[in-house]
Amino acid sequence: GAVVSQHPSRVICKSGTSVKIECRSLDFQATTMFWYRQFPKQSLMLMATSNEGSKATYEQGVEKDKFLINHASLTLSTLTVTSAHPEDSSFYICSATHLAGYNEQFFGPGTRLTVL
Amino acid sequence: SQQGEEDPQALSIQEGENATMNCSYKTSINNLQWYRQNSGRGLVHLILIRSNEREKHSGRLRVTLDTSKKSSSLLITASRAADTASYFCATVSGGYNKLIFGAGTRLAVHP
Repeated sequence: GAVVSQHPSRVICKSGTSVKIECRSLDFQATTMFWYRQFPKQSLMLMATSNEGSKATYEQGVEKDKFLINHASLTLSTLTVTSAHPEDSSFYICSATHLAGYNEQFFGPGTRLTVL
Repeated sequence: SQQGEEDPQALSIQEGENATMNCSYKTSINNLQWYRQNSGRGLVHLILIRSNEREKHSGRLRVTLDTSKKSSSLLITASRAADTASYFCATVSGGYNKLIFGAGTRLAVHP
């Protein structure tokens, strides 16, 4: 149980285009989903916290107009990188907390974004 | 923002040896968690230790927590080649369930 999926696993796009990444909790309802970014050989940096039905809370320094987050249901959150540029190339990982749980976050497999 | 540092940044050992990784953090915490990440993959939750606990075991893993020093250690005993991965500590503070990750330790276990 407690499986989180991400789609797509890899995406390559041209500079200036927008990319949408989906994060789904497959077998549980997630009140909260988190989005992280990870550059090569670095740690995970929290970008935003997403609660179902409300606006996401962004960490300091993360542009909310560039990284649009929608959490429309208890099983789906999406991250849209708008007008992507090469510096947005990174590994994006989502996680979800179980409706009935509190402390443990379940992580998706990640999405590798390459902007040419 | 990152909570603190982990050391060593990289660790290379032989199969059968023990691996110890350390994590330091800056603020008071509710709990501290350890995760493993295989190259280019998502994270796997290993163990959670609460702020009022000092030691916890899970299989070949042993985690200690010293809140007075704001530090934690992860010991992997009798390491295997399959333990090769990056290991991250992450802390949870305050009323939010946000994880703040340390810099990570890259462990290589050689057969």
